Amino acid sequence: DVKVTQSSRYLVKRTGEKVFLECVQDMDHENMFWYRQDPGLGLRLIYFSYDVKMKEKGDIPEGYSVSREKKERFSLILESASTNQTSMYLCASSFSPGQGYEQYFGPGTRLTVT
Amino acid sequence: AQTVTQSQPEMSVQEAETVTLSCTYDTSESDYYLFWYKQPPSRQMILVIRQEAYKQQNATENRFSVNFQKAAKSFSLKISDSQLGDAAMYFCAYRSASNEKLTFGTGTRLTIIP
Repeated sequence: DVKVTQSSRYLVKRTGEKVFLECVQDMDHENMFWYRQDPGLGLRLIYFSYDVKMKEKGDIPEGYSVSREKKERFSLILESASTNQTSMYLCASSFSPGQGYEQYFGPGTRLTVT
Repeated sequence: AQTVTQSQPEMSVQEAETVTLSCTYDTSESDYYLFWYKQPPSRQMILVIRQEAYKQQNATENRFSVNFQKAAKSFSLKISDSQLGDAAMYFCAYRSASNEKLTFGTGTRLTIIP
């Protein structure tokens, strides 16, 4: 079974703090993704990575950065958290090379910024 | 840019009945994939069904089937013999064959009435 795990289910941070969200997958997937999920907006792609040290911006990258130093791990970084970044964050992974493989999702991290 | 529209924020169905969730999408591409994902309450998002655009035959997975109308850019999900465990948010998603990015709709919350 594919497993995508995220470091925390719930996280509360203060405005201005630096926040790290970690994601690990155990299936040797090339691609990894970070989404945020908000009611009425669905899932929106923040960043994705198709290889170690490679990254591409998604639809809403502002205020976020990512790091992928190892194939199995993809980190989302909020350099200076703001209240409008309160959301559910979902990590996903998939195989390449673009054969329509599904994305496998982690359980999500519900982040509250106060 | 591709867009995915789910016009039904909420749906409900009696247990054992059939329900259809709607999805339309907009794209200028001819080669792509469409997905329905299910997100049960407080649980991980999982793939329900996948359709390749080049296939004319509608995909089916047990009680789940799709009605793929390529010319109309419509991709509805039919759930037959609804069960309590089908209660979830359902997301329609689009992926171009030329990249790994998924574009999601805003979701439909399905309630099963016992």
